[in-house]
Amino acid sequence: EVQLLESGGGLVQPGESLRLSCAASGFTFASYAMSWVRQAPGRGLEWVSTISDTGGGTHYADSVKGRFTISRDSSKNTLYLQMNTLRADDTAVYYCGRTEGYCSGGSCSVGGGWFDPWGQGTLVTVSS
Amino acid sequence: QLVLTQSPSASASLGTSVKLTCTLSSGHSSYAIAWHQQQPEKGPRYLMKLNSDGKYIKGDGIPDRFSGSSSGAERYLTISSLQSEDEADYYCQTWGTGPNWVFGGGTKLTVL
Repeated sequence: EVQLLESGGGLVQPGESLRLSCAASGFTFASYAMSWVRQAPGRGLEWVSTISDTGGGTHYADSVKGRFTISRDSSKNTLYLQMNTLRADDTAVYYCGRTEGYCSGGSCSVGGGWFDPWGQGTLVTVSS
Repeated sequence: QLVLTQSPSASASLGTSVKLTCTLSSGHSSYAIAWHQQQPEKGPRYLMKLNSDGKYIKGDGIPDRFSGSSSGAERYLTISSLQSEDEADYYCQTWGTGPNWVFGGGTKLTVL
């Protein structure tokens, strides 16, 4: 069974850092691009970041560029999101998602990029 | 700019059908999208990828009651024989040339 399990969320103060993890199982992790998507309380879904299957390409939403870093460790089947200089508007549930149709055999194109499956999410609260 | 527009809410009675709409911004009418369902207090679930020609590929375990169709810049999700568990938020999502990934604002479906 394909599974994604996020962890690492919690309560932090503005300006602090946090690292989220997403443990993948049930599929060949190194063959897929992976993404982070967040959902602020009572709001819709917002794409945050995507990393290619090899880790050689990373992409960020403008709202997090320069503050967040996505990475992956294929030996551990784990996706990460390092979040620095956190702000109150970063408060959200963070989901990881396997990103289908974007990369194949190390080559990525804009011909695809839907999220399937999703994890259950981890809550990040930024508050003083 | 790549934008997806959804109505904030929809409602339909138990056992009937409902058609949700996602509209692509001008100049993007050929784009494929994906539909996702988010039941209350749960993470999202992928429903299907829907092409501009109306062809769609559903995710594993998605019931036959869920189908997709397209017309111009509009992408539709039809749910037939509505059940109580279909009460959820439905999001459309697409991908652009940034590359970037975009979500619609979501439609909250109420089953009466």
